[in-house]
Amino acid sequence: QVQLVQSGAEVKKPGASMKVSCKASGYSFTSYGFGWVRQAPGQGLEWMGWISGYNGKTKYTQNFQGRVTMTTDISTSTVYMELRSLRSDDTAVYYCARARSGELSVLDHWGQGTLVTVSS
Amino acid sequence: EIVLTQSPATLSLSPGERATLSCRASQSVSSYLVWYQQKPGQAPRLLIYGASNRATGIPARFSGSGSGTDFTLTISSLEPEDFAVYYCQQRSDWPLTFGGGTKVEIK
Repeated sequence: QVQLVQSGAEVKKPGASMKVSCKASGYSFTSYGFGWVRQAPGQGLEWMGWISGYNGKTKYTQNFQGRVTMTTDISTSTVYMELRSLRSDDTAVYYCARARSGELSVLDHWGQGTLVTVSS
Repeated sequence: EIVLTQSPATLSLSPGERATLSCRASQSVSSYLVWYQQKPGQAPRLLIYGASNRATGIPARFSGSGSGTDFTLTISSLEPEDFAVYYCQQRSDWPLTFGGGTKVEIK
């Protein structure tokens, strides 16, 4: 069965960087893309961007452009999301999700989420 | 970017009742509208894609309708496990956007 397993919770200081991993299993990694979505405490869902599992092509939303980098490691079927220059309002649960097709995609399977807390 | 407005923000119903959730887009998204369910402490789960197609394993009591700018998610008879937050998402244009969510709570 399709599984996306994310790395564990992190606590970061303002100005630091975070890197969340998402290991995929149960399907052909290169046949799908990945979306990253975050959810601040008690808030709704915010789309961050997309990466192709096939060729690593990326597309980021304007809110995160310049601060986020998404990468893949095909050898381990893992996708990564790095966010730099962290602020307190980056405190959120970060989700990876499998994207059925391109960057305008249905997110059909989700990771369990990774809580990142940014605090001095 | 396309703004999705969900209403009501909260829906208070009893098990067995019918739930009707609305999602309105600021411009046409054709049928590129998706619904997700999220329970406390869990990741969202895909319910409906293409405005009206149930995802694998989703019970028939969930149905979606609409096109263009107005969409509806209907739960025909609420089961205890259906009390959750529901989000719509458009995938018609970049960036993908989500609605603010409708919480379906037990009355």
